[in-house]
Amino acid sequence: GEDVEQSLFLSVREGDSSVINCTYTDSSSTYLYWYKQEPGAGLQLLTYIFSNMDMKQDQRLTVLLNKKDKHLSLRIADTQTGDSAIYFCAAASGTYKYIFGTGTRLKVLA
Amino acid sequence: DGGITQSPKYLFRKEGQNVTLSCEQNLNHDAMYWYRQDPGQGLRLIYYSQIVNDFQKGDIAEGYSVSREKKESFPLTVTSAQKNPTAFYLCASSIDSNYGYTFGSGTRLTVV
Repeated sequence: GEDVEQSLFLSVREGDSSVINCTYTDSSSTYLYWYKQEPGAGLQLLTYIFSNMDMKQDQRLTVLLNKKDKHLSLRIADTQTGDSAIYFCAAASGTYKYIFGTGTRLKVLA
Repeated sequence: DGGITQSPKYLFRKEGQNVTLSCEQNLNHDAMYWYRQDPGQGLRLIYYSQIVNDFQKGDIAEGYSVSREKKESFPLTVTSAQKNPTAFYLCASSIDSNYGYTFGSGTRLTVV
């Protein structure tokens, strides 16, 4: 079946940039999403990118999409301690069912 | 403010009991979903509903049941047939398939 993969952990120092990577298998994915989950809470939609785009920037967040390699990344500039959370990548192919990655736990060191 | 509400936040179930998790939204979204989250496994789809009075099984529907009698409500029942129900359950809704989900704050179910 279709799959979305992420590394499990990332640790960065406060003020540095964080880059969270994701690979997906469904080449028909039309939208790709990044969600943030804080401890004990639901998921919050951070940003999304349509498959005909290469890049999308939204304040401190930059999403890069390499459709040929089916690779998605989320860059967080000037990472703060409040950015510590689990980040999920998700892929949708025009249906109501999304495929979520396992999540990357970002730890920001002061 | 519009949103999606899950209750209760914490739920304890004895072996052999059925329990029902509530999910209510006032976003006027047509589609609603239930996901289960286990550590290191991401989110797995239990059931989803695209419209009132209709729902489909997701990837791990065994031991669960749902109903969609109203647009605003999509309760999930965890039956005694679910062998390992301890998990964090997330409800979500969406206006269509492209603009992302809105999630509730989750219900943590523990079997005691």
